[in-house]
Amino acid sequence: DARVTQTPRHKVTEMGQEVTMRCQPILGHNTVFWYRQTMMQGLELLAYFRNRAPLDDSGMPKDRFSAEMPDATLATLKIQPSEPRDSAVYFCASGQGRGTEAFFGQGTRLTVV
Amino acid sequence: QKEVEQNSGPLSVPEGAIASLNCTYSDRVSQSFFWYRQYSGKSPELIMSIYSNGDKEDGRFTAQLNKASQYVSLLIRDSQPSDSATYLCAVIPYGNNRLAFGKGNQVVVIP
Repeated sequence: DARVTQTPRHKVTEMGQEVTMRCQPILGHNTVFWYRQTMMQGLELLAYFRNRAPLDDSGMPKDRFSAEMPDATLATLKIQPSEPRDSAVYFCASGQGRGTEAFFGQGTRLTVV
Repeated sequence: QKEVEQNSGPLSVPEGAIASLNCTYSDRVSQSFFWYRQYSGKSPELIMSIYSNGDKEDGRFTAQLNKASQYVSLLIRDSQPSDSATYLCAVIPYGNNRLAFGKGNQVVVIP
């Protein structure tokens, strides 16, 4: 059953703490996306990678967010320090090849208090 | 101008009717177009992809693409209560893999 796996599913943290979200893309997919979803903004693209190389991270606040792919089976999104306005659902999605569809993980619901 | 726009408000349709959703995009040379369905509290799920002008049918769903007018639409025939969800339009511009989404349209099917 090929699917994108995200951990943790839920995270509650205090303002100022570091948050790390992890994503395991579908085996064989070479493109990984990170999205943030809020009621006000909808799905916003934060960053994406192709063959583990970052192609675009213009959607991320650079001072506190960072995204990496240490290997082909793991993508991480870190927030340090976290702020209440970062509260949202963060989705990872993976795809195979240029111009093709992406498949989403179940998301990480982040609450910063 | 936003990359992908879905401007209609919530859509209520009676069970068995046709639900029609529209989406416009700004990049004229976009090549790949998708419709995702998202149930409340769940992740987006791909339901249709379309790459060429015209219609593409899959079961009760039909996607329509008009590149000259830069719009893509989704028709849901014989709407069922299980179709009640938010429908997201997504576009990949030519030459890259950036998948941009509209804000979505909520569909409510009334039994």
